Order: sequence, then structure tokens, then C-alpha cells
Amino acid sequence: QVQLVESGGGVVQPGRSLRLSCAPSGFSFSSFAMHWVRQAPGKGPEWVTLISYDGSNKYYADSVKGRFTISRDNSKNTLSLQMNSLRADDTAVYYCARGATGWELLLDHWGQGTLVTVSS
Amino acid sequence: DIQMTQSPSSLSASVGDRVTITCRASQGISNFLAWYQQKPGKVPKLLIYAAATLQSGVPSRFSGSGSGTDFTLTISSLQPEDVATYYCQNLNSAPLTFGGGTKVEIK
Repeated sequence: QVQLVESGGGVVQPGRSLRLSCAPSGFSFSSFAMHWVRQAPGKGPEWVTLISYDGSNKYYADSVKGRFTISRDNSKNTLSLQMNSLRADDTAVYYCARGATGWELLLDHWGQGTLVTVSS
Repeated sequence: DIQMTQSPSSLSASVGDRVTITCRASQGISNFLAWYQQKPGKVPKLLIYAAATLQSGVPSRFSGSGSGTDFTLTISSLQPEDVATYYCQNLNSAPLTFGGGTKVEIK
């Protein structure tokens, strides 16, 4: 079955960096677009970024553009999110999610999430 | 960016009631809309895509309709396990955008 396991969350001071990882299993990772979606405490989901199946195309929400970078290593089956210049409003649970077959904007499987807290 | 507006923001209904949630897009998105269910403390789960197609395993009491700018999620007979917050999502183009959510409770 499809599984997505995030790691790398924690408490970080404003202005610092953090790198999140997602370990997929149960499907052919190199064939699927992947996303990061975040959810601040008590709020709805907010899409963060998308990477195409081969890494050639990347898209970002305006709120993270220039600060966050998505990447993937299909040979190692890993998805990453490098987060720089973190701000208090980046505090959220970060989920990696799979884009559905033939419809990469559709999030058909989500991980359990990793909590990022930005606080001094 | 396409804005998604849901209503109501919350509702309370009795077991067995028919429940309707609406979602409006700020511009036409054809049928490029999904609905997600998020139970308390859990991860969002895909319920419906292409406005009306049920994801595998989703009970048939859930249905979706609409096209263009106006969409509806209906639960034909509310069950206790349906207590959750429901979100619509634009699938038309990046940036993906979600509605503000509708919290469904049992009266």
C-alpha cells in the first residue's frame, strides 16, 4: 500500500533553516508528481509546492517563493523540502502528498505529517 | 490565484439528515474540483475528484456535483463517523487553493 513518511520537523528559531524529508513506499515514486502541503494549528490546508515526476518542473506558493526549495532523488526514493529564512507564520504540520496518476494536482495520498515550530 | 469560498463554515445536523456543503470558485474551473475530509486529529483524505467522482472506498452516501464556479458536496444520510471538516480544492491550475472548510457536527 502507498505510504509516505515525513521527517525532519522540530523547533527552529526565526531566520534559521530546516530540511524536511519524505520517504515514499508502495508505489513507483519516479512516476508521480509530489507535493508539500502545510496546515497551521486550527487552520485549513495550504498548498506549498509541487515537483513533477522527473524534477524538471517546480511550482511554489507565493508565501514561500524564494525561501523554500523542493527537490527529489528518484534513485534514492526521497523527496525533500529545504526551508530557509523561516518565519513564525511557517509554523505548521507539513505533509508530503502524492499527485494522482494523470492528474498531478490531485492529492490522492498524504503522509502523517511532521510538525515545524518556528519560535525564539 | 483562484479563490475558493465554502459555506457554511460549520453546521450541526442529526444522524440521518441530508447535509449539503457549497463551494464557489472565483473563476470558472470546469469540473476541476476535489473534496477532502479531515477527521479530528487525522490527515486529510480524498473523497471526491472531478467534482463528482467518488474516490475508491468512499461510501456512496457522499456525492458531489457542479461545474464552472459552483459546486456541492452532499451527504445523503449523515452518520456519526462523518464528523469532520470538509475542504474543497481547486484542481485547475497551480497554485492549488483550498476552501476555508466546513465543520460538520452531530446535533
